[in-house]
Amino acid sequence: KAGVTQTPRYLIKTRGQQVTLSCSPISGHRSVSWYQQTPGQGLQFLFEYFSETQRNKGNFPGRFSGRQFSNSRSEMNVSTLELGDSALYLCASSVNLAGPGETQYFGPGTRLLVL
Amino acid sequence: DQQVKQNSPSLSVQEGRISILNCDYTNSMFDYFLWYKKYPAEGPTFLISISSIKDKNEDGRFTVFLNKSAKHLSLHIVPSQPGDSAVYFCAASGRRGSGGGADGLTFGKGTHLIIQP
Repeated sequence: KAGVTQTPRYLIKTRGQQVTLSCSPISGHRSVSWYQQTPGQGLQFLFEYFSETQRNKGNFPGRFSGRQFSNSRSEMNVSTLELGDSALYLCASSVNLAGPGETQYFGPGTRLLVL
Repeated sequence: DQQVKQNSPSLSVQEGRISILNCDYTNSMFDYFLWYKKYPAEGPTFLISISSIKDKNEDGRFTVFLNKSAKHLSLHIVPSQPGDSAVYFCAASGRRGSGGGADGLTFGKGTHLIIQP
C-alpha cells in the first residue's frame, strides 16, 4: 500500500506571497492532519480534516487554512507569507481519527523556505 | 508551555546495549502516547504506542513503559543497532470533550539517539 505523499517536496517563496501544499493520504484513510515543524517550536499541530470538514484546529493564525476533497486528498494554504513560516510541513493520515487510540502515518513533508 | 517534554536533546549508546529515551507530560487529559522515529529529510515513522490503561507495551526490540502517577513514559530499545540512530519523538493525544475527533498529537522536541559502533 502506498504511503502518504506530499507535493511539492521543496518550495521557495518570498514574503507576502501565498502557497498551497498538497497531501494524498494512504488509500482508505479518511482523516488528514497537518503539522508544522521548526527548529525552535518542534512539531506543532495545525488542523485536522475528516469528510471534507475541519474537525480540529491548533493554535495558528487565520493565514493558515486548509481543505479536504471528497477523495480525502487535502491541501493547506498559507497566505501573506512571513519569514517565520519557513518550516517543514508534514501531513499525516489515519483511518478515522475519532479518538486517541489511532496511529497517524506521516508523509515526507514539504520544506518551505520564505525569503 | 510545553505539555510534552523530552529533556535530553541527545543520547549516545554503544551498539548492543540498551537505549532508554524518556518523556514527561503535564496534561492529565492525555490518554494515548506514541513514539515516532525520524530520519533527516523524512517524515516521522510510527514506532510503538501505549494507551493510558496499560503500563507496558512491547513490540520486538521496542518496549514503552508508562507511569501515569509520575506522568512519565520511556522507550527502551534492546539491543541497540546502528540503524536506530535517529531523532525520537514522544507524542501524546487525548479525546476532545465533545463533537468527536481527537486533538492533534502534541509532540516533544525530540531526542537525537546516536548508536556508537
